[in-house]
Amino acid sequence: EPEVTQTPSHQVTQMGQEVILRCVPISNHLYFYWYRQILGQKVEFLVSFYNNEISEKSEIFDDQFSVERPDGSNFTLKIRSTKLEDSAMYFCASSEGGNQPQHFGDGTRLSIL
Amino acid sequence: GEDVEQSLFLSVREGDSSVINCTYTDSSSTYLYWYKQEPGAGLQLLTYIFSNMDMKQDQRLTVLLNIMDKHLSLRIADTQTGDSAIYFCAEFITMGGGNKLTFGTGTQLKVEL
Repeated sequence: EPEVTQTPSHQVTQMGQEVILRCVPISNHLYFYWYRQILGQKVEFLVSFYNNEISEKSEIFDDQFSVERPDGSNFTLKIRSTKLEDSAMYFCASSEGGNQPQHFGDGTRLSIL
Repeated sequence: GEDVEQSLFLSVREGDSSVINCTYTDSSSTYLYWYKQEPGAGLQLLTYIFSNMDMKQDQRLTVLLNIMDKHLSLRIADTQTGDSAIYFCAEFITMGGGNKLTFGTGTQLKVEL
Protein backbone atom coordinates (compact mmCIF):
# COMPACT_ATOMS: atom_id res chain seq x y z
CA GLU A 1 0.00 0.00 0.00
CA PRO A 2 1.43 3.44 -0.88
CA GLU A 3 2.60 5.46 2.08
CA VAL A 4 3.92 8.85 3.02
CA THR A 5 7.61 8.74 3.90
CA GLN A 6 9.48 11.25 6.03
CA THR A 7 13.19 11.81 6.57
CA PRO A 8 15.03 11.97 8.83
CA SER A 9 13.24 10.09 11.58
CA HIS A 10 15.11 12.11 14.19
CA GLN A 11 16.86 15.46 13.78
CA VAL A 12 18.95 17.09 16.49
CA THR A 13 19.89 20.73 15.89
CA GLN A 14 21.44 23.59 17.81
CA MET A 15 19.18 26.51 18.64
CA GLY A 16 19.38 29.19 15.97
CA GLN A 17 20.19 26.79 13.16
CA GLU A 18 17.99 26.09 10.17
CA VAL A 19 16.42 22.68 9.56
CA ILE A 20 14.71 21.14 6.59
CA LEU A 21 12.29 18.29 7.13
CA ARG A 22 11.54 16.18 4.10
CA CYS A 23 8.48 14.30 2.99
CA VAL A 24 7.55 12.20 -0.01
CA PRO A 25 3.76 12.20 -0.31
CA ILE A 26 1.78 9.42 -1.96
CA SER A 27 2.40 9.77 -5.67
CA ASN A 28 -1.11 10.54 -6.96
CA HIS A 29 -1.99 12.88 -4.10
CA LEU A 30 -2.42 16.56 -4.79
CA TYR A 31 -2.88 18.06 -1.31
CA PHE A 32 -0.08 18.22 1.24
CA TYR A 33 0.02 19.14 4.90
CA TRP A 34 2.33 19.61 7.86
CA TYR A 35 1.26 19.06 11.46
CA ARG A 36 3.26 19.05 14.66
CA GLN A 37 2.86 17.39 18.04
CA ILE A 38 4.71 18.84 21.00
CA LEU A 39 5.35 16.13 23.58
CA GLY A 40 2.23 15.50 25.62
CA GLN A 41 0.09 17.89 23.58
CA LYS A 42 -2.39 17.68 20.73
CA VAL A 43 -1.50 17.25 17.08
CA GLU A 44 -1.67 20.77 15.63
CA PHE A 45 -2.21 21.89 12.05
CA LEU A 46 0.57 24.00 10.55
CA VAL A 47 -0.07 24.40 6.84
CA SER A 48 -1.83 23.00 3.79
CA PHE A 49 -0.43 23.19 0.28
CA TYR A 50 -2.06 22.71 -3.09
CA ASN A 51 -1.17 23.61 -6.66
CA ASN A 52 2.26 24.86 -5.60
CA GLU A 53 1.01 27.34 -3.08
CA ILE A 54 -0.07 27.55 0.53
CA SER A 55 -3.84 27.20 0.77
CA GLU A 56 -4.13 27.67 4.52
CA LYS A 57 -1.84 28.15 7.49
CA SER A 58 -2.24 28.36 11.23
CA GLU A 59 -1.07 31.04 13.64
CA ILE A 60 1.90 28.81 14.46
CA PHE A 61 3.13 28.99 10.87
CA ASP A 62 4.83 32.37 11.03
CA ASP A 63 7.73 33.82 9.02
CA GLN A 64 10.09 31.34 10.62
CA PHE A 65 8.45 28.55 8.61
CA SER A 66 8.27 27.88 4.90
CA VAL A 67 7.21 25.00 2.68
CA GLU A 68 8.30 24.02 -0.76
CA ARG A 69 7.70 21.37 -3.37
CA PRO A 70 11.09 21.53 -5.08
CA ASP A 71 10.36 18.74 -7.53
CA GLY A 72 7.58 16.35 -8.43
CA SER A 73 8.00 14.12 -5.42
CA ASN A 74 9.32 15.98 -2.36
CA PHE A 75 7.52 18.32 0.01
CA THR A 76 9.70 20.12 2.54
CA LEU A 77 9.23 22.14 5.70
CA LYS A 78 11.99 24.63 6.50
CA ILE A 79 12.35 26.14 9.95
CA ARG A 80 14.73 29.08 10.13
CA SER A 81 16.53 30.12 13.30
CA THR A 82 15.12 27.30 15.40
CA LYS A 83 14.00 27.85 18.98
CA LEU A 84 13.79 25.44 21.90
CA GLU A 85 10.01 25.45 21.64
CA ASP A 86 10.21 24.12 18.07
CA SER A 87 11.11 20.73 19.54
CA ALA A 88 8.26 18.43 18.53
CA MET A 89 7.24 15.59 16.27
CA TYR A 90 6.49 16.92 12.80
CA PHE A 91 4.06 14.97 10.64
CA CYS A 92 3.60 15.26 6.91
CA ALA A 93 0.30 14.18 5.35
CA SER A 94 -1.18 14.01 1.89
CA SER A 95 -4.60 13.46 0.37
CA GLU A 96 -5.84 12.69 -3.09
CA GLY A 97 -8.48 15.40 -3.03
CA GLY A 98 -9.20 18.36 -0.76
CA ASN A 99 -11.87 16.50 1.18
CA GLN A 100 -10.33 13.03 0.94
CA PRO A 101 -8.74 11.26 3.94
CA GLN A 102 -5.30 12.49 4.91
CA HIS A 103 -2.58 9.87 5.14
CA PHE A 104 0.26 10.55 7.53
CA GLY A 105 3.94 9.69 7.57
CA ASP A 106 5.72 8.32 10.63
CA GLY A 107 6.97 11.77 11.56
CA THR A 108 10.31 13.45 12.20
CA ARG A 109 11.25 14.01 15.82
CA LEU A 110 12.97 17.40 15.99
CA SER A 111 15.07 18.10 19.06
CA ILE A 112 16.47 21.61 19.52
CA LEU A 113 19.37 21.89 21.96
CA GLY B 1 -13.06 28.04 17.51
CA GLU B 2 -12.80 24.31 17.00
CA ASP B 3 -12.22 22.06 19.98
CA VAL B 4 -12.14 18.29 20.15
CA GLU B 5 -12.13 16.49 23.49
CA GLN B 6 -11.45 12.88 24.48
CA SER B 7 -10.90 11.04 27.71
CA LEU B 8 -7.21 10.38 28.28
CA PHE B 9 -7.16 6.72 29.27
CA LEU B 10 -9.12 3.53 28.79
CA SER B 11 -8.23 0.10 30.11
CA VAL B 12 -10.02 -3.07 28.96
CA ARG B 13 -9.49 -6.80 29.17
CA GLU B 14 -8.56 -8.75 26.09
CA GLY B 15 -11.67 -10.00 24.32
CA ASP B 16 -13.91 -7.25 25.69
CA SER B 17 -15.24 -4.35 23.64
CA SER B 18 -13.61 -0.93 23.88
CA VAL B 19 -15.55 2.28 23.42
CA ILE B 20 -13.61 5.50 22.91
CA ASN B 21 -15.62 8.70 23.01
CA CYS B 22 -15.05 12.09 21.45
CA THR B 23 -16.89 15.39 21.46
CA TYR B 24 -16.35 18.25 19.05
CA THR B 25 -17.63 21.78 18.72
CA ASP B 26 -17.57 22.80 15.06
CA SER B 27 -20.95 22.06 13.51
CA SER B 28 -19.60 22.59 10.00
CA SER B 29 -17.45 19.45 10.14
CA THR B 30 -18.11 17.28 7.11
CA TYR B 31 -16.00 14.28 8.03
CA LEU B 32 -14.85 12.86 11.34
CA TYR B 33 -11.85 10.58 11.54
CA TRP B 34 -10.25 8.07 13.85
CA TYR B 35 -6.47 7.63 13.78
CA LYS B 36 -4.34 5.15 15.70
CA GLN B 37 -0.82 5.89 16.94
CA GLU B 38 1.38 3.09 18.18
CA PRO B 39 4.52 3.92 20.21
CA GLY B 40 7.14 5.63 18.06
CA ALA B 41 4.96 5.43 14.96
CA GLY B 42 2.92 7.84 12.88
CA LEU B 43 -0.81 8.35 12.64
CA GLN B 44 -2.56 5.45 11.00
CA LEU B 45 -5.96 6.18 9.47
CA LEU B 46 -8.43 3.71 10.93
CA THR B 47 -11.79 4.84 9.66
CA TYR B 48 -13.92 7.90 9.03
CA ILE B 49 -17.55 8.84 8.82
CA PHE B 50 -19.35 11.46 6.81
CA SER B 51 -21.50 13.86 8.78
CA ASN B 52 -24.75 12.70 7.17
CA MET B 53 -24.26 9.18 8.53
CA ASP B 54 -24.94 7.98 12.05
CA MET B 55 -23.11 4.67 11.92
CA LYS B 56 -20.33 3.00 9.99
CA GLN B 57 -19.02 -0.52 10.53
CA ASP B 58 -15.69 -1.81 9.30
CA GLN B 59 -14.81 -5.31 10.54
CA ARG B 60 -14.18 -4.97 14.30
CA LEU B 61 -14.64 -1.21 14.24
CA THR B 62 -17.97 0.58 14.64
CA VAL B 63 -18.23 4.35 14.49
CA LEU B 64 -21.28 6.07 15.89
CA LEU B 65 -22.02 9.72 15.23
CA ASN B 66 -24.61 11.85 17.02
CA ILE B 67 -24.50 15.09 15.11
CA MET B 68 -27.01 16.82 17.38
CA ASP B 69 -24.83 16.21 20.44
CA LYS B 70 -21.60 16.51 18.41
CA HIS B 71 -20.53 13.18 19.85
CA LEU B 72 -18.47 10.53 18.09
CA SER B 73 -17.49 7.11 19.36
CA LEU B 74 -15.28 4.27 18.21
CA ARG B 75 -16.14 0.76 19.33
CA ILE B 76 -13.53 -1.98 18.94
CA ALA B 77 -15.03 -5.44 19.25
CA ASP B 78 -13.00 -8.34 20.67
CA THR B 79 -10.15 -6.04 21.70
CA GLN B 80 -6.68 -7.57 21.32
CA THR B 81 -3.33 -6.67 22.87
CA GLY B 82 -2.29 -5.36 19.45
CA ASP B 83 -4.99 -2.72 19.77
CA SER B 84 -3.05 -1.04 22.58
CA ALA B 85 -2.24 2.42 21.24
CA ILE B 86 -3.34 6.05 21.37
CA TYR B 87 -6.54 6.74 19.44
CA PHE B 88 -7.20 10.22 18.08
CA CYS B 89 -10.46 11.55 16.78
CA ALA B 90 -10.23 14.44 14.36
CA GLU B 91 -12.72 16.70 12.69
CA PHE B 92 -12.26 17.87 9.16
CA ILE B 93 -12.61 21.63 8.86
CA THR B 94 -12.99 23.39 5.53
CA MET B 95 -11.60 26.91 5.61
CA GLY B 96 -11.53 29.71 3.11
CA GLY B 97 -8.75 28.48 0.92
CA GLY B 98 -8.02 25.05 2.26
CA ASN B 99 -8.82 22.53 4.91
CA LYS B 100 -7.32 20.97 8.01
CA LEU B 101 -7.84 18.33 10.65
CA THR B 102 -8.38 19.37 14.25
CA PHE B 103 -7.32 16.58 16.57
CA GLY B 104 -8.48 15.56 20.01
CA THR B 105 -6.11 14.95 22.89
CA GLY B 106 -5.94 11.23 22.15
CA THR B 107 -7.14 8.32 24.29
CA GLN B 108 -4.55 5.81 25.43
CA LEU B 109 -6.05 2.34 25.21
CA LYS B 110 -4.44 -0.32 27.35
CA VAL B 111 -5.48 -3.92 26.77
CA GLU B 112 -4.84 -6.26 29.67
CA LEU B 113 -4.68 -10.04 29.57
